[in-house]
Amino acid sequence: DVQVVQSGAEVRKPGESLRISCQGSGYNFRKDYIVWVRQMPGKGLEWMGLILPGSSDIRYRPSFQGQVIFSADASINTAYLQWASLKASDTAKYYCARLISGHDPVKVKFYYSGLDVWGQGTTVTVSS
Amino acid sequence: DIVVTQSPLFLPVTPGEPASISCRSSQSLLHANGYTYLDWYLQKPGQSPQLLIYLGSNRTSGVPDRISGSGSGTDFTLRISRVEAEDVGTYYCMQARQSPYSFGQGTKVEMK
Repeated sequence: DVQVVQSGAEVRKPGESLRISCQGSGYNFRKDYIVWVRQMPGKGLEWMGLILPGSSDIRYRPSFQGQVIFSADASINTAYLQWASLKASDTAKYYCARLISGHDPVKVKFYYSGLDVWGQGTTVTVSS
Repeated sequence: DIVVTQSPLFLPVTPGEPASISCRSSQSLLHANGYTYLDWYLQKPGQSPQLLIYLGSNRTSGVPDRISGSGSGTDFTLRISRVEAEDVGTYYCMQARQSPYSFGQGTKVEMK
């Protein structure tokens, strides 16, 4: 079964650092993107950005650039979302999801199947 | 950035009756490769979002055929031909034509 499993809930104080994880299994982790999505309490979904593990392809929504860092260790099929200094406004549930999107230069064909597998979400609470 | 706007934001539905949700984008979602990068997701209460439709009209595995997506360019529609109890939740459209990708505000579907 293809799945992505996220790390557990975290509680931190403002100014503290944090790294949460997203581990993929059942597929070629290097080949597909991992997308990060924020959902603040009672609100909708916000696309934060994506990373292609094992590559330098990392894209941030401008509002998150400089506020968070995406990284990945393809040797252990794990992607990370980290903060250097948390704020109370970072309190939210964070989802990772697999994105199938790319181009096969041999077959000269594009492929795309959306965010087809989602993690269970990691709740981050930042409070003094 | 591409802005995606859904309507309505709240949709009371009757079991067995049809329902539809509109999604409009500020720019065309048609890529030069011929694909239209618009997806639909459903977030059931207390759950992670799940993919329903990708590339405007392609149902993902396990989605019943009473749920369909249509549209082109900047105007898209999700239709449920006969609403069932399991369809309650918040529906989101998402454009993947251009980074940063973006979700609509969400449409909350509840039983009357």
